[in-house]
Amino acid sequence: GAGVSQSPSNKVTEKGKDVELRCDPISGHTALYWYRQSLGQGLEFLIYFQGNSAPDKSGLPSDRFSAERTGGSVSTLTIQRTQQEDSAVYLCASLSPTGYEQYFGPGTRLTVT
Amino acid sequence: AQTVTQSQPEMSVQEAETVTLSCTYDTSESDYYLFWYKQPPSRQMILVIRQEAYKQQNATENRFSVNFQKAAKSFSLKISDSQLGDAAMYFCAPNSGGSNYKLTFGKGTLLTVNP
Repeated sequence: GAGVSQSPSNKVTEKGKDVELRCDPISGHTALYWYRQSLGQGLEFLIYFQGNSAPDKSGLPSDRFSAERTGGSVSTLTIQRTQQEDSAVYLCASLSPTGYEQYFGPGTRLTVT
Repeated sequence: AQTVTQSQPEMSVQEAETVTLSCTYDTSESDYYLFWYKQPPSRQMILVIRQEAYKQQNATENRFSVNFQKAAKSFSLKISDSQLGDAAMYFCAPNSGGSNYKLTFGKGTLLTVNP
């Protein structure tokens, strides 16, 4: 079946602009995660969704970051007023309900100039 | 909070040889899972192997196996008969168990496979 998809693959934006990153999880996976991968911080958790609710937002680095999920499927991560330190690869994953492993999308590379 | 230490930033192995990647972690969870993921230059994170913490038997997946020592909080990955396609960054990642299963990653080990 289809895996996790993310769009866009790459995004270049100017400092101060808003960006939206999209994640489409594996069908039937109710839990969804966003992670950020940067040279300085490595791979870090951002937010967890169960269905459309986000019971754990503890990894969001500032209030410029927000995420939503609709219909228990597609999720959007929004970064407002982007800063250069937001440059990173943003990875989305969905959780297998049987084996508890996470399946990752190909990521979105965000570059803030 | 969980912490994960991968003490080998880089490793190299000859094709067809065996290599072991180290990982230690700290967790307050009693029930959790552990994973190894590989990330080739394409940046796609690929699941290599999983281990349930409640199981004493070490997981095996074809050429990949783990040595899981729960008391020592150690979770190493052994790759046998290394192939050129095994070259990648490898990440050790325990999850947070029944709360939300989020992953905590180590900083990774870059594996080079020499022909």
